[in-house]
Amino acid sequence: QVQLVQSGAEVKKPGASVKVSCKTSGYTFTSSYIHWVRQAPGQGLEWMGIINPNGGYTRYTQRFQGRVTMTTDTSTSTVYMELSSLRSDDTALFYCARGKDYATTDYWGQGTLVAVSS
Amino acid sequence: DIQMTQSPSSLSASVGDRVTITCRASHGVSNNLAWFQQKPGKAPKSLIYAASTLHSGVPSKFSGSGSRTDFTLTISSLQPEDSATYYCQQYDSSPFTFGPGTKVDI
Repeated sequence: QVQLVQSGAEVKKPGASVKVSCKTSGYTFTSSYIHWVRQAPGQGLEWMGIINPNGGYTRYTQRFQGRVTMTTDTSTSTVYMELSSLRSDDTALFYCARGKDYATTDYWGQGTLVAVSS
Repeated sequence: DIQMTQSPSSLSASVGDRVTITCRASHGVSNNLAWFQQKPGKAPKSLIYAASTLHSGVPSKFSGSGSRTDFTLTISSLQPEDSATYYCQQYDSSPFTFGPGTKVDI
């Protein structure tokens, strides 16, 4: 069965970077895009961007442009999302989700909490 | 960017009720609209894509309709396990924006 398992919670200081992993299984890794979604505490969902594991094409929302980098490791079927220059308002849950096709998502990871605090 | 709005922001209903949530896009998105359910402390669950197509395993009590700018999610025969926040998302053009969510209490 399709599974997306994310890395554990992180605590970072302002200005630091965080790299969240999303290990996939149960399907052909290069056949599906991966989306990343952010959810601040008590807030709604915010789409961050998308990566195609087949070739590495990425598209980021402008809000995160310049601070976010999405990468893949095909040898381990893992996708990474790195967010730099962290601020306190970056404290959030980060989710990866598989793209059923380019844009629609079907399976989600369990979420990774990133807390930014001095 | 396409802005998404939802109404109501919250609702309270009884077991067995039929509830409808509305989602509106600031520009036409064709039928490129998805619905998600999120329970407290859990990851979102994909319910519907292409405005009205249920993902595999989603109960038929969920249904979606609409096109262009106006969409609805209907839950028939509400059950306690349907208590959640429901989000719409357009994926017609990047960034794929979400609505603010509708909290459904039973």
